[in-house]
Amino acid sequence: EPEVTQTPSHQVTQMGQEVILRCVPISNHLYFYWYRQILGQKVEFLVSFYNNEISEKSEIFDDQFSVERPDGSNFTLKIRSTKLEDSAMYFCASSERDSRSGANVLTFGAGSRLTVL
Amino acid sequence: GESVGLHLPTLSVQEGDNSIINCAYSNSASDYFIWYKQESGKGPQFIIDIRSNMDKRQGQRVTVLLNKTVKHLSLQIAATQPGDSAVYFCAEVSGGSYIPTFGRGTSLIVHP
Repeated sequence: EPEVTQTPSHQVTQMGQEVILRCVPISNHLYFYWYRQILGQKVEFLVSFYNNEISEKSEIFDDQFSVERPDGSNFTLKIRSTKLEDSAMYFCASSERDSRSGANVLTFGAGSRLTVL
Repeated sequence: GESVGLHLPTLSVQEGDNSIINCAYSNSASDYFIWYKQESGKGPQFIIDIRSNMDKRQGQRVTVLLNKTVKHLSLQIAATQPGDSAVYFCAEVSGGSYIPTFGRGTSLIVHP
């Protein structure tokens, strides 16, 4: 079964450092997403990406965050200067959308745990 | 056992019982709903979805019920198994957005 893969599985960084989280979405999916989950809390939407540009973003996704699809397979999330409160599990997801039915089933990766010290 | 909304974050059941996990959603404009299962150390996994023009949808051992009048969604799991132990999230999608907004989650614990 196709899956979304994420690397690294765990990254520890110092506050103020830049972090890049990587994702390989499912190959025939056109829509890509980043969500995050702070320990014990709900899964929060960060950003969606389609056709090489951001299509939607939440208020969490401020100027410290950026996304990129540098080639035909990878989708990255960059945090420019990490803060303690950026510590969370970051999930990448991809989907196809059925515009007729409105269905949008996201397939999530296993996540990248970011710990900011 | 029955969970009364996501204000009760943990539901414990015995293996073989039926489980009901409830979710109150907030946006009356939401027209598409999804249940996700998240096992420890993994990402959310799609279970079942339902559109707002339906009030019931069945899958394998799972049934989702939608009551738009009171903005309530439930997930019923028949003959619950230890492998069903996980956190279950409901997610809603508002018309035109396509972006699922997750609820808080309910932890289901199945005792053998």
